[in-house]
Amino acid sequence: GQQLNQSPQSMFIQEGEDVSMNCTSSSIFNTWLWYKQDPGEGPVLLIALYKAGELTSNGRLTAQFGITRKDSFLNISASIPSDVGIYFCAGDPSGGSNYKLTFGKGTLLTVNP
Amino acid sequence: NAGVTQTPKFQVLKTGQSMTLQCAQDMNHEYMSWYRQDPGMGLRLIHYSVGAGITDQGEVPNGYNVSRSTTEDFPLRLLSAAPSQTSVYFCAIRGQGGGELFFGEGSRLTVL
Repeated sequence: GQQLNQSPQSMFIQEGEDVSMNCTSSSIFNTWLWYKQDPGEGPVLLIALYKAGELTSNGRLTAQFGITRKDSFLNISASIPSDVGIYFCAGDPSGGSNYKLTFGKGTLLTVNP
Repeated sequence: NAGVTQTPKFQVLKTGQSMTLQCAQDMNHEYMSWYRQDPGMGLRLIHYSVGAGITDQGEVPNGYNVSRSTTEDFPLRLLSAAPSQTSVYFCAIRGQGGGELFFGEGSRLTVL
């Protein structure tokens, strides 16, 4: 199956710092999604990307669909304690017709107040 | 959680027992799926369905059965539970707008 490499695996930052994480794939993806998971909860969709080069923001979050269609980036600006959680990237290699979304292994973010 | 209801939220089984995890949605979405989440492994697709009467395997289908009799429900069955099936299970539906998945709150299963 498809493999997604997500990095870093974990991050420990101070409140107010900016955060960057990324996902890469060995094959082309037509959709990139970013999710956040709080402890004991299901993943919640943050940003969806559908076109190569697309840059989309959601509040302090910004994500980009890499121009090669093999990577995506998520940036969080001015982090706050409630940003703590696991962030997952996910990709759909077929634009939705395959229905087999592949997930990265997650980035655990800890924010020190 | 996007109209997805999972039950039970917690379950403890003994090896060899059977059980069914329930997933129900009230948004009339055709696509439903089951993922399992294990530490350090991310989310892995078990089975999915694109409509009533249609199911297909995902990445890790062994040991699990599914059926889709109605649009609303997509149960996941473990016929003979094994310790390797200890995990958190998520049901997810696909939005009308495109590729986004929306998840339930999860069912935490422990097999002793």
